[in-house]
Amino acid sequence: EAQVTQNPRYLITVTGKKLTVTCSQNMNHEYMSWYRQDPGLGLRQIYYSMNVEVTDKGDVPEGYKVSRKEKRNFPLILESPSPNQTSLYFCASRPGLGVDEQFFGPGTRLTVL
Amino acid sequence: KQEVTQIPAALSVPEGENLVLNCSFTDSAIYNLQWFRQDPGKGLTSLLLIQSSQREQTSGRLNASLDKSSGRSTLYIAASQPGDSATYLCAVPNYGQNFVFGPGTRLSVLP
Repeated sequence: EAQVTQNPRYLITVTGKKLTVTCSQNMNHEYMSWYRQDPGLGLRQIYYSMNVEVTDKGDVPEGYKVSRKEKRNFPLILESPSPNQTSLYFCASRPGLGVDEQFFGPGTRLTVL
Repeated sequence: KQEVTQIPAALSVPEGENLVLNCSFTDSAIYNLQWFRQDPGKGLTSLLLIQSSQREQTSGRLNASLDKSSGRSTLYIAASQPGDSATYLCAVPNYGQNFVFGPGTRLSVLP
């Protein structure tokens, strides 16, 4: 089944403890991205990647890192999480540049205490 | 910078009604617009993708239109059902490869 998967789905952690949220797609898509969703602020893009080893900042990249060493994986790294990074995170992918539709993962709910 | 708004913010209708959701964007230089559905606490499901060269796209009871020149898109839902209750989001590209989402319209269809 074609899909975007994220792990973990739920995570509670403490301030400053490094964490990684994994994202994987099995559709051989070139483009992948990360979003966060907050009440009243909607969905905002954090980082995106147009291919292996090619990443760029979205609208809210501060406090996050990403890497794209393989086409199928695009992990989101929080080196030193803070409470303002408590949010619902979504990974998405699409075939490539241009006019294709995006496919979303199921989301990761992160709470930073 | 691209900005996207959606009207109304929330909508409650009785089952069977036809309804229209609106999406507006500030920069008309887009190559597509996508409508999504999101159920509470869940991910986003793609409903319709309209290319910039198209004016309409249909899928079952859903019809989306795009007017680039006026910076508007509408999502028309025919014969609404309780199962249509969800938040509906539109998204457009912002100067290339990142995307901007609207705040969403929260729809409740009452039996």
